[in-house]
Order: sequence, then C-alpha cells, then structure tokens
Amino acid sequence: QQQVKQSPQSLIVQKGGIPIINCAYENTAFDYFPWYQQFPGKGPALLIAIRPDVSEKKEGRFTISFNKSAKQFSLHIMDSQPGDSATYFCAASRDVAGGTSYGKLTFGQGTILTVHP
Amino acid sequence: DVKVTQSSRYLVKRTGEKVFLECVQDMDHENMFWYRQDPGLGLRLIYFSYDVKMKEKGDIPEGYSVSREKKERFSLILESASTNQTSMYLCASRPKGWKTGNEQFFGPGTRLTVL
Repeated sequence: QQQVKQSPQSLIVQKGGIPIINCAYENTAFDYFPWYQQFPGKGPALLIAIRPDVSEKKEGRFTISFNKSAKQFSLHIMDSQPGDSATYFCAASRDVAGGTSYGKLTFGQGTILTVHP
Repeated sequence: DVKVTQSSRYLVKRTGEKVFLECVQDMDHENMFWYRQDPGLGLRLIYFSYDVKMKEKGDIPEGYSVSREKKERFSLILESASTNQTSMYLCASRPKGWKTGNEQFFGPGTRLTVL
C-alpha cells in the first residue's frame, strides 16, 4: 500500500531549467513533509521540509509548494545545476510533539533527476 | 556531524544463508530504522527500534528480524536469504522527540546480492 505517490520517475533538464517533482498523499493525519536528496553511493540526506500550516517554503534554490486541500506537494529547483543531478524522494510522517509514531517516514517512489550542462 | 555507518558496502550471499547487516550511529539517537531501497519502489520500512531491546515491524517485515542490544547498534537479520531480498539496505537514526524536527540520518547503504 503506497501512501505517497511521486512523479515523474525520471526527469531530464538543461542547466538553468526548473525541474518540478510532484507528490500526493492519502493519509490526512500526515503533518510533516520532507524531501530527501540522494547522490550515487550515498544515503539520502534531508534537503528541505514543510509542515501543512504554510503553503510554501524556500531554502536557497529549492522550494516546496504545499496544497493541503488537494493533498499534494511539490519540489521546485530554481536555476538547476549539473550538481543537482541526484535521486529525490518525497516523504511524509504523522507525528507532532508527544506522538508515538517515532518519526516513521513513508517515502515516495523516487525521481532520478539529470541536469545537463 | 552525525555519523551512521554500515558494516559492508557490498555483500554477496547464497540462497538460504543467514545474513547479518550491522548499523552503528554515534549520536546517541534513540530511534533507528532499517529500509530497503528498490528502483521504482522508493524506500520501504522493514523494522524500527525506539529503544534498546524495543522494536516494531515496519511495512515489509516478512523474512527479516532485528536486534538492538546496545543503543548505538541496530542489526538486520535475514534468517534464510532469498533472491527476492537482493536490494540496497539503508539504516537511519534520529533522536527522540521533535525538538530538532524529524530529520533521519542515513548510512551509505549495503548492496546485498543473493545468488
């Protein structure tokens, strides 16, 4: 049962382009939505995260847009660079302070991003 | 910096063998997780532990068990390896509570091939 659906599976853009990766979730109890970035040979690392009380969050060239009513969120990479080439995973968890889910994350299927020079 | 290490980067085993994958974290984190990563399926949670000797099943626990005898170490055990367990295995840890958000720190992964 895949509770977080991610698309596209792969994406190729030219340097300077704005790749967009989309995710949709089913569980309305989710209240934390991170994106992880994984380079070949490495484990995933947290890139940026958002909570449902805001509709957008920016960190440098990376932006999360969040649509609570549609149960969707997306990652935009402004002015993409070849060094951004990696696999990106969206995820979701349900756990506010004092919760008991221990921060379990449900991941999307992943998107392989290639940025050509 | 948080460091999560995994005992092997690559492992090749035969069908039916008992396989141990080890994970060690150096940040005194209470919670530790084992995932498997497969193309097109993302990361799927196998087991997690929220304290020494405490464990809970994740989404795909069948064919696996875990052990957490010390806080810093979390082991994944394949009791009788099968070819469908060929995968990348990732270990992660995070501290208890939400003071620092919900970031999980991942190891580099172990690529297991079962022949």
